[in-house]
Amino acid sequence: GDSVTQMEGPVTLSEEAFLTINCTYTATGYPSLFWYVQYPGEGLQLLLKATKADDKGSNKGFEATYRKETTSFHLEKGSVQVSDSAVYFCALTYSGNTGKLIFGQGTTLQVKP
Amino acid sequence: NAGVTQTPKFQVLKTGQSMTLQCAQDMNHNSMYWYRQDPGMGLRLIYYSASEGTTDKGEVPNGYNVSRLNKREFSLRLESAAPSQTSVYFCASSEELVSLHFGNGTRLTVT
Repeated sequence: GDSVTQMEGPVTLSEEAFLTINCTYTATGYPSLFWYVQYPGEGLQLLLKATKADDKGSNKGFEATYRKETTSFHLEKGSVQVSDSAVYFCALTYSGNTGKLIFGQGTTLQVKP
Repeated sequence: NAGVTQTPKFQVLKTGQSMTLQCAQDMNHNSMYWYRQDPGMGLRLIYYSASEGTTDKGEVPNGYNVSRLNKREFSLRLESAAPSQTSVYFCASSEELVSLHFGNGTRLTVT
Protein backbone atom coordinates (compact mmCIF):
# COMPACT_ATOMS: atom_id res chain seq x y z
CA GLY A 1 0.00 0.00 0.00
CA ASP A 2 0.88 3.66 -0.11
CA SER A 3 3.12 5.02 2.62
CA VAL A 4 5.23 7.99 3.68
CA THR A 5 8.55 7.77 5.52
CA GLN A 6 10.25 10.69 7.23
CA MET A 7 13.63 11.03 8.84
CA GLU A 8 13.63 10.38 12.53
CA GLY A 9 13.93 13.27 14.90
CA PRO A 10 14.38 15.26 16.85
CA VAL A 11 16.38 17.55 14.62
CA THR A 12 18.20 20.18 16.66
CA LEU A 13 19.66 23.22 14.92
CA SER A 14 21.04 26.61 15.85
CA GLU A 15 19.23 29.71 14.64
CA GLU A 16 20.08 30.64 11.03
CA ALA A 17 21.21 27.09 10.18
CA PHE A 18 20.09 25.31 7.00
CA LEU A 19 17.27 22.82 7.42
CA THR A 20 16.53 19.63 5.51
CA ILE A 21 13.87 17.16 6.59
CA ASN A 22 13.78 14.10 4.37
CA CYS A 23 10.53 12.57 3.12
CA THR A 24 10.15 9.64 0.76
CA TYR A 25 6.96 7.97 -0.36
CA THR A 26 5.65 4.76 -1.86
CA ALA A 27 2.65 5.17 -4.10
CA THR A 28 0.79 3.10 -6.65
CA GLY A 29 -0.28 6.15 -8.66
CA TYR A 30 0.55 9.83 -8.94
CA PRO A 31 -0.26 11.47 -5.63
CA SER A 32 -0.26 15.06 -4.46
CA LEU A 33 2.29 15.74 -1.72
CA PHE A 34 2.04 17.99 1.31
CA TRP A 35 3.96 19.30 4.28
CA TYR A 36 1.98 20.12 7.41
CA VAL A 37 3.34 21.82 10.54
CA GLN A 38 2.11 21.37 14.11
CA TYR A 39 3.08 23.98 16.71
CA PRO A 40 2.89 22.98 20.39
CA GLY A 41 -0.67 22.55 21.62
CA GLU A 42 -2.20 23.19 18.21
CA GLY A 43 -3.62 21.26 15.29
CA LEU A 44 -1.84 20.77 11.98
CA GLN A 45 -1.58 23.57 9.45
CA LEU A 46 -0.86 23.20 5.77
CA LEU A 47 2.65 24.52 5.07
CA LEU A 48 3.04 23.79 1.36
CA LYS A 49 1.98 21.39 -1.37
CA ALA A 50 2.88 20.06 -4.82
CA THR A 51 0.46 18.28 -7.10
CA LYS A 52 2.67 16.88 -9.86
CA ALA A 53 6.24 15.86 -10.60
CA ASP A 54 8.82 18.67 -10.59
CA ASP A 55 6.41 21.08 -8.91
CA LYS A 56 7.98 23.15 -6.14
CA GLY A 57 5.85 24.14 -3.18
CA SER A 58 6.95 27.11 -1.09
CA ASN A 59 5.71 29.11 1.88
CA LYS A 60 7.27 31.16 4.71
CA GLY A 61 10.78 30.45 3.42
CA PHE A 62 10.23 26.68 3.27
CA GLU A 63 10.49 24.80 -0.02
CA ALA A 64 9.98 21.25 -1.25
CA THR A 65 10.24 19.79 -4.76
CA TYR A 66 8.21 16.80 -5.94
CA ARG A 67 10.83 14.36 -7.28
CA LYS A 68 9.15 11.44 -9.01
CA GLU A 69 12.44 9.76 -9.96
CA THR A 70 13.54 9.49 -6.33
CA THR A 71 10.00 9.40 -4.86
CA SER A 72 10.97 12.21 -2.50
CA PHE A 73 9.61 15.52 -1.21
CA HIS A 74 12.30 16.87 1.10
CA LEU A 75 11.57 20.02 3.09
CA GLU A 76 14.23 22.76 3.14
CA LYS A 77 14.72 26.19 4.62
CA GLY A 78 17.80 28.32 4.22
CA SER A 79 17.84 29.96 7.66
CA VAL A 80 15.70 28.64 10.50
CA GLN A 81 14.35 30.69 13.38
CA VAL A 82 13.42 29.70 16.92
CA SER A 83 9.78 30.20 15.91
CA ASP A 84 10.13 27.34 13.39
CA SER A 85 10.36 24.84 16.26
CA ALA A 86 7.47 22.44 15.65
CA VAL A 87 6.61 18.98 14.37
CA TYR A 88 6.60 18.62 10.59
CA PHE A 89 4.52 16.01 8.78
CA CYS A 90 4.87 14.87 5.19
CA ALA A 91 1.68 13.49 3.62
CA LEU A 92 0.20 12.28 0.35
CA THR A 93 -3.21 11.83 -1.17
CA TYR A 94 -4.83 11.30 -4.53
CA SER A 95 -7.11 13.55 -6.50
CA GLY A 96 -10.69 12.84 -5.43
CA ASN A 97 -9.64 11.51 -2.01
CA THR A 98 -10.15 14.84 -0.29
CA GLY A 99 -8.87 14.71 3.25
CA LYS A 100 -7.86 11.05 3.14
CA LEU A 101 -4.25 11.89 3.72
CA ILE A 102 -1.56 9.34 4.45
CA PHE A 103 0.90 10.86 6.91
CA GLY A 104 4.48 10.18 7.77
CA GLN A 105 5.36 9.76 11.43
CA GLY A 106 6.40 13.39 11.90
CA THR A 107 9.78 15.00 12.57
CA THR A 108 10.34 17.26 15.55
CA LEU A 109 12.48 20.33 14.88
CA GLN A 110 14.07 22.22 17.76
CA VAL A 111 15.83 25.49 16.95
CA LYS A 112 18.08 26.95 19.63
CA PRO A 113 18.99 30.65 19.82
CA ASN B 1 -12.54 33.35 13.24
CA ALA B 2 -13.09 30.04 15.05
CA GLY B 3 -12.43 27.53 12.23
CA VAL B 4 -12.67 24.00 13.66
CA THR B 5 -13.59 23.73 17.35
CA GLN B 6 -13.17 20.54 19.37
CA THR B 7 -14.42 19.76 22.84
CA PRO B 8 -13.24 18.73 25.32
CA LYS B 9 -9.52 19.54 25.22
CA PHE B 10 -8.62 16.85 27.75
CA GLN B 11 -10.43 13.77 29.03
CA VAL B 12 -9.57 10.86 31.30
CA LEU B 13 -11.73 7.72 31.13
CA LYS B 14 -11.72 4.38 32.85
CA THR B 15 -11.74 1.24 30.73
CA GLY B 16 -15.29 0.49 29.61
CA GLN B 17 -16.63 4.01 29.95
CA SER B 18 -18.17 5.80 27.00
CA MET B 19 -17.83 9.35 25.73
CA THR B 20 -18.43 11.55 22.71
CA LEU B 21 -15.92 13.95 21.24
CA GLN B 22 -17.54 16.96 19.66
CA CYS B 23 -16.40 18.86 16.58
CA ALA B 24 -17.90 21.87 14.84
CA GLN B 25 -16.71 23.96 11.90
CA ASP B 26 -17.90 27.36 10.78
CA MET B 27 -16.39 27.40 7.28
CA ASN B 28 -19.36 25.78 5.51
CA HIS B 29 -17.17 22.84 4.45
CA ASN B 30 -18.79 19.72 3.07
CA SER B 31 -16.18 17.21 4.25
CA MET B 32 -15.17 16.42 7.82
CA TYR B 33 -12.74 13.91 9.33
CA TRP B 34 -11.54 12.33 12.53
CA TYR B 35 -7.87 11.42 12.90
CA ARG B 36 -5.90 10.01 15.81
CA GLN B 37 -2.27 10.90 16.47
CA ASP B 38 0.04 8.47 18.22
CA PRO B 39 3.79 8.84 18.89
CA GLY B 40 5.90 7.62 15.99
CA MET B 41 2.85 6.85 13.83
CA GLY B 42 1.76 10.18 12.42
CA LEU B 43 -1.98 10.69 12.00
CA ARG B 44 -4.35 7.92 11.01
CA LEU B 45 -7.85 8.41 9.65
CA ILE B 46 -10.63 6.95 11.79
CA TYR B 47 -13.78 8.04 9.94
CA TYR B 48 -14.73 10.70 7.47
CA SER B 49 -17.87 12.31 6.11
CA ALA B 50 -17.75 13.54 2.53
CA SER B 51 -21.03 15.41 2.93
CA GLU B 52 -23.92 15.84 5.31
CA GLY B 53 -25.70 12.52 5.78
CA THR B 54 -22.80 10.28 4.74
CA THR B 55 -20.02 8.66 6.74
CA ASP B 56 -17.30 6.16 5.80
CA LYS B 57 -14.63 4.18 7.57
CA GLY B 58 -11.03 5.20 7.41
CA GLU B 59 -7.90 3.26 8.28
CA VAL B 60 -8.61 2.54 11.98
CA PRO B 61 -12.41 2.58 12.62
CA ASN B 62 -12.71 -0.29 15.12
CA GLY B 63 -14.06 0.78 18.50
CA TYR B 64 -15.49 4.07 17.21
CA ASN B 65 -18.73 5.40 15.81
CA VAL B 66 -19.49 8.76 14.23
CA SER B 67 -22.47 10.99 13.59
CA ARG B 68 -22.68 13.79 11.06
CA LEU B 69 -25.35 15.72 12.89
CA ASN B 70 -25.57 18.50 10.30
CA LYS B 71 -23.20 20.28 7.97
CA ARG B 72 -21.36 21.95 10.87
CA GLU B 73 -21.01 19.11 13.37
CA PHE B 74 -19.28 15.72 13.30
CA SER B 75 -19.01 13.75 16.53
CA LEU B 76 -16.89 10.72 17.43
CA ARG B 77 -18.15 8.23 20.01
CA LEU B 78 -16.26 5.65 22.01
CA GLU B 79 -18.84 3.15 23.31
CA SER B 80 -16.50 1.18 25.57
CA ALA B 81 -13.12 2.84 25.93
CA ALA B 82 -9.94 0.75 25.96
CA PRO B 83 -6.37 1.73 26.92
CA SER B 84 -5.39 1.30 23.23
CA GLN B 85 -7.59 4.32 22.49
CA THR B 86 -5.37 6.61 24.52
CA SER B 87 -4.36 9.15 21.91
CA VAL B 88 -4.75 12.70 20.67
CA TYR B 89 -7.81 13.06 18.45
CA PHE B 90 -8.05 15.66 15.71
CA CYS B 91 -11.09 16.74 13.80
CA ALA B 92 -10.61 18.38 10.40
CA SER B 93 -12.73 19.83 7.64
CA SER B 94 -12.20 20.65 4.00
CA GLU B 95 -13.92 21.90 0.92
CA GLU B 96 -11.13 21.14 -1.50
CA LEU B 97 -8.07 18.95 -1.28
CA VAL B 98 -5.74 21.80 -0.46
CA SER B 99 -7.80 23.25 2.37
CA LEU B 100 -7.71 20.73 5.20
CA HIS B 101 -8.30 22.64 8.45
CA PHE B 102 -7.60 20.98 11.79
CA GLY B 103 -8.92 21.65 15.26
CA ASN B 104 -6.56 21.87 18.24
CA GLY B 105 -7.17 18.31 19.34
CA THR B 106 -8.56 16.33 22.27
CA ARG B 107 -6.07 14.52 24.47
CA LEU B 108 -7.72 11.33 25.73
CA THR B 109 -6.29 9.01 28.37
CA VAL B 110 -7.94 5.66 29.11
CA THR B 111 -6.79 3.98 32.33
